[in-house]
Amino acid sequence: DQQVKQNSPSLSVQEGRISILNCDYTNSMFDYFLWYKKYPAEGPTFLISISSIKDKNEDGRFTVFLNKSAKHLSLHIVPSQPGDSAVYFCAASGSGSARQLTFGSGTQLTVLP
Amino acid sequence: GAGVSQSPSNKVTEKGKDVELRCDPISGHTALYWYRQSLGQGLEFLIYFQGNSAPDKSGLPSDRFSAERTGGSVSTLTIQRTQQEDSAVYLCASSYAGNEQFFGPGTRLTVL
Repeated sequence: DQQVKQNSPSLSVQEGRISILNCDYTNSMFDYFLWYKKYPAEGPTFLISISSIKDKNEDGRFTVFLNKSAKHLSLHIVPSQPGDSAVYFCAASGSGSARQLTFGSGTQLTVLP
Repeated sequence: GAGVSQSPSNKVTEKGKDVELRCDPISGHTALYWYRQSLGQGLEFLIYFQGNSAPDKSGLPSDRFSAERTGGSVSTLTIQRTQQEDSAVYLCASSYAGNEQFFGPGTRLTVL
């Protein structure tokens, strides 16, 4: 029972264009969402997050959008750069002190020069 | 330290042997988490520590898995009588006050 789903295992984008990575969730108790980036042989690196009280959060080239009614979030990267090529994981957590993360299966983004 | 560190980085063991994986969290981070990532899968939650206590052990896949944390710092994940399905990358993360989790580089465990 996957509570967080990333339905696209891979995405290729031309350098300079927009990358859009999508994520869907099923658990309505989730109230905090994060995106992590992972390079081979390294641990995931935190990228950007959003609380359920917001619908958009922006940090430089990265913007996360949250649509609570659709239980959907997306990560936009503009403009995409070759160094952005990595696996991107969507993660979610619920209220409470534990805040264990439930991860999607990841999307491999390749930015072509 | 500058970040979360884990050791060893790679571990190859024979089926049936016990293994110990170590995590050094970021200094001052009160929460510590263990996850594992099997091939082609997302990260799977294993266990969470707040200080030295583990209020949430719900993710441990079997009683062969155990973890402890001493002094509110270093944590050890122990897998007894390893099986081939235990092969995965084991990741540790730490956080302060329930905010973003910072991950270590992981330990790649291979059970032959």
